[in-house]
Amino acid sequence: SQTIHQWPATLVQPVGSPLSLECTVEGTSNPNLYWYRQAAGRGLQLLFYSVGIGQISSEVPQNLSASRPQDRQFILSSKKLLLSDSGFYLCAWSVSGRLGNQPQHFGDGTRLSIL
Amino acid sequence: AQSVAQPEDQVNVAEGNPLTVKCTYSVSGNPYLFWYVQYPNRGLQFLLKYITGDNLVKGSYGFEAEFNKSQTSFHLKKPSALVSDSALYFCAVRDANYGGSQGNLIFGKGTKLSVKP
Repeated sequence: SQTIHQWPATLVQPVGSPLSLECTVEGTSNPNLYWYRQAAGRGLQLLFYSVGIGQISSEVPQNLSASRPQDRQFILSSKKLLLSDSGFYLCAWSVSGRLGNQPQHFGDGTRLSIL
Repeated sequence: AQSVAQPEDQVNVAEGNPLTVKCTYSVSGNPYLFWYVQYPNRGLQFLLKYITGDNLVKGSYGFEAEFNKSQTSFHLKKPSALVSDSALYFCAVRDANYGGSQGNLIFGKGTKLSVKP
């Protein structure tokens, strides 16, 4: 069966520090991968998605970036964090393909607090 | 443009009573519709989806949802609520006619379900 792992679970960082959040998927090949941010425990904002190694699409301009160095690894980064970057970050995967009728499956998230 | 609305921020239900969490959507083509549940400090868990076929879709934990094309709705239902059903519920839609970023999931803002004993 497929599993998705995110780490760390919680992170407290000072303003201006760098960020690296990691997400890995097991049990499937060539998944679509997604990074979301959830603010105040409510709506989800899609940040990045990837349909393959090295292929990243950005949905919202900001000081965050994403990379996919391996098929099942998705990394969210920042060179200098802002207070507004605080939130709950969720990684998700779905079966690849253009049909779009497959659900996304989410990791347990990283709670990021910026001080 | 695609959109999804969950008109209720919170739904309160007594244990054992039926529950309904409402969702309406707007897409230009045919919709793919999904329901997810989120427990505190956890990721979203997939409950069920409508792609095509029967308007009544059955999913995990006894939940079901009814697709109504004329009302552009996809309400989540359960005949008898449990205290353990208390969580945040998200409806999501994707336009079946689009790939790429236009085909990404659009999530509602979520509805908090509270089931009291």
